[in-house]
Amino acid sequence: TQLLEQSPQFLSIQEGENLTVYCNSSSVFSSLQWYRQEPGEGPVLLVTVVTGGEVKKLKRLTFQFGDARKDSSLHITAAQPGDTGLYLCAGDPSNTGKLIFGQGTTLQVKP
Amino acid sequence: DAGVTQSPTHLIKTRGQQVTLRCSPKSGHDTVSWYQQALGQGPQFIFQYYEEEERQRGNFPDRFSGHQFPNYSSELNVNALLLGDSALYLCASSIYRASPLHFGNGTRLTVT
Repeated sequence: TQLLEQSPQFLSIQEGENLTVYCNSSSVFSSLQWYRQEPGEGPVLLVTVVTGGEVKKLKRLTFQFGDARKDSSLHITAAQPGDTGLYLCAGDPSNTGKLIFGQGTTLQVKP
Repeated sequence: DAGVTQSPTHLIKTRGQQVTLRCSPKSGHDTVSWYQQALGQGPQFIFQYYEEEERQRGNFPDRFSGHQFPNYSSELNVNALLLGDSALYLCASSIYRASPLHFGNGTRLTVT
C-alpha cells in the first residue's frame, strides 16, 4: 500500500513568515498533486508535479518534486492570512484517477 | 460553467438509517469518484464510477454503494449508518478516469 506522510500536521505562524510543508513516501509516484481546502469547501488543485527535480512556482508558493519522485515540498514565502487552510498532497499510483491523500497540514496565518 | 455540485450540503441521520447523497459532475467530465473525509484529515477514496460501472473501490464495506446515471451524475448510498460514518463526503469528477480531480464542496453527514 502506497502511503503519503505529510509534516507538520499543524502550523500556526505570523503574517510575513515563511514555511515549508513536506510530503514523503517510500514509494515512487509518477506525479504528485497539491490541493488547498478551505473550511466548508472541497479541495482545489494548486499544482501537479511530474518530473523528478521539478520546481513550480505559483506566486508566493513554490512546489518541488524530489529527484527520486518519492517526496515533494511546498514552500510559502511571506505568508498571508488568506493562505490559511488545509494543504493536501496526493498521488495517483495507478494513473486511474484513484488519489491517495496525505493526512494534510492545517495552516493558520495570524495577522 | 458549473463545477461539481453536491446535495444536500448537510444531513443529520440516526444510527441504522440509510442515506443517499447526490453529485453532478463538472460539464464535460465523465468519471465520478467519491471520498470520505474526517475532520482535519485527508480524503479517503471510496469508489469510482465510469460508464455507469464501479471501476475501482477503496477499503470500505459493502454498506457503501453507488450508482452512475447516463448523464454522468452519481449517487452514494450508505446503509445501516454507524456513528463512525459521520464525515464530509466529497464527490470529484474528471475526464476518462484520469486525475487531476475537480471536487464539489461536499455533504456533511452527521450520524447521531
